[in-house]
Amino acid sequence: AAGVIQSPRHLIKEKRETATLKCYPIPRHDTVYWYQQGPGQDPQFLISFYEKMQSDKGSIPDRFSAQQFSDYHSELNMSSLELGDSALYFCASSVSGGSYEQYFGPGTRLTVT
Amino acid sequence: GEDVEQSLFLSVREGDSSVINCTYTDSSSTYLYWYKQEPGAGLQLLTYIFSNMDMKQDQRLTVLLNKKDKHLSLRIADTQTGDSAIYFCAAISPNFGNEKLTFGTGTRLTIIP
Repeated sequence: AAGVIQSPRHLIKEKRETATLKCYPIPRHDTVYWYQQGPGQDPQFLISFYEKMQSDKGSIPDRFSAQQFSDYHSELNMSSLELGDSALYFCASSVSGGSYEQYFGPGTRLTVT
Repeated sequence: GEDVEQSLFLSVREGDSSVINCTYTDSSSTYLYWYKQEPGAGLQLLTYIFSNMDMKQDQRLTVLLNKKDKHLSLRIADTQTGDSAIYFCAAISPNFGNEKLTFGTGTRLTIIP
């Protein structure tokens, strides 16, 4: 079965640079979520989109922005990167309604040096 | 907001049953999930339970929910080495635009040969 696709899988950036993470949800899933998982931490919700509109916002820094496109893929843009942004970034997708099961991608490991 | 707690570590002998516990604070949590995360990997949805259920069984997995005590458990029967991972419970209180998962701290399950 098709799963959530994230790219790139690994990314190394320097402080103050920008990064763009991409997420391709499972076909026919209309909702996308972004989570950040620091080393040894549980995943923390950043932002979500339903039908291309932002639906919820968590602890996402102002330096980050995201959007969902007409083909339902989503991009997380991160600017002025800081060392503390080093983490695993997960995208998850779901179908609205039902049991709200969120299926996660493999994650993008971002390292800021 | 929701707060989800788990014990950090559990060691079990191969072939025994593992029981991972979780408590949550928000009585309006409607769906409760168990995710598995292997080292360096993404989050795999194992199972979920709706708040009007007490128990759900899925092959080797049994989920028990005590809604009065806000306590959730995951039992893995006949634990195998491949079950070594971090197990996260997560809760959701879905309202339109508020479907983010709140994760517990994760329980690292170690299998003793």
